[in-house]
Amino acid sequence: GGIITQTPKFLIGQEGQKLTLKCQQNFNHDTMYWYRQDSGKGLRLIYYSITENDLQKGDLSEGYDASREKKSSFSLTVTSAQKNEMAVFLCASTKLSAETLYFGSGTRLTVL
Amino acid sequence: SQLAEENSWALSVHEGESVTVNCSYKTSITALQWYRQKSGKGPAQLILIRSNEREKRNGRLRATLDTSSQSSSLSITATRCEDTAVYFCATRSSNTNKVVFGTGTRLQVLP
Repeated sequence: GGIITQTPKFLIGQEGQKLTLKCQQNFNHDTMYWYRQDSGKGLRLIYYSITENDLQKGDLSEGYDASREKKSSFSLTVTSAQKNEMAVFLCASTKLSAETLYFGSGTRLTVL
Repeated sequence: SQLAEENSWALSVHEGESVTVNCSYKTSITALQWYRQKSGKGPAQLILIRSNEREKRNGRLRATLDTSSQSSSLSITATRCEDTAVYFCATRSSNTNKVVFGTGTRLQVLP
């Protein structure tokens, strides 16, 4: 078994601030994803990385940057936090040839 | 654009009853997955059904897939209070690794 660890669990920032969310997985999975989930809503794909050194934009990439520092870690940066992006950010990973995504418990972002 | 979506926002049943959640999708897929998300947690996969399969079971869960109508259903029999959660379908299109989730159906199982 493995685990996905997202840090921090709660992140409070000021409007306009640059904020970074981190995700680590010990599954040795190739592919990692960042999703945003607004309250009571579905998951929207922000960025994904098929393998180390790869970066692909999702449907909601504007206002975000991502970095796949190594196989086990994938970071997401909110470039300028806005009040309307208070949400839970979920990280997931999967083996390249597989379908099942394994998720972390999320980082809840609050913007003041 | 949404590649997958569930057809009901919320459902409520009593314990022991059966319930079905439906999903429609818009692209060619290799597989469709059903996930469950409990409060404060990330989604967890329940069933994966491949495009060449019509039905898949996992205990009290049964998923169907109709590729001609681009739709899927997830049925839960003998529901329990602990089945209370949000249920998502998710698809990965045939030519990318992009996995897209529907908006989710909130299921409440009442005692």
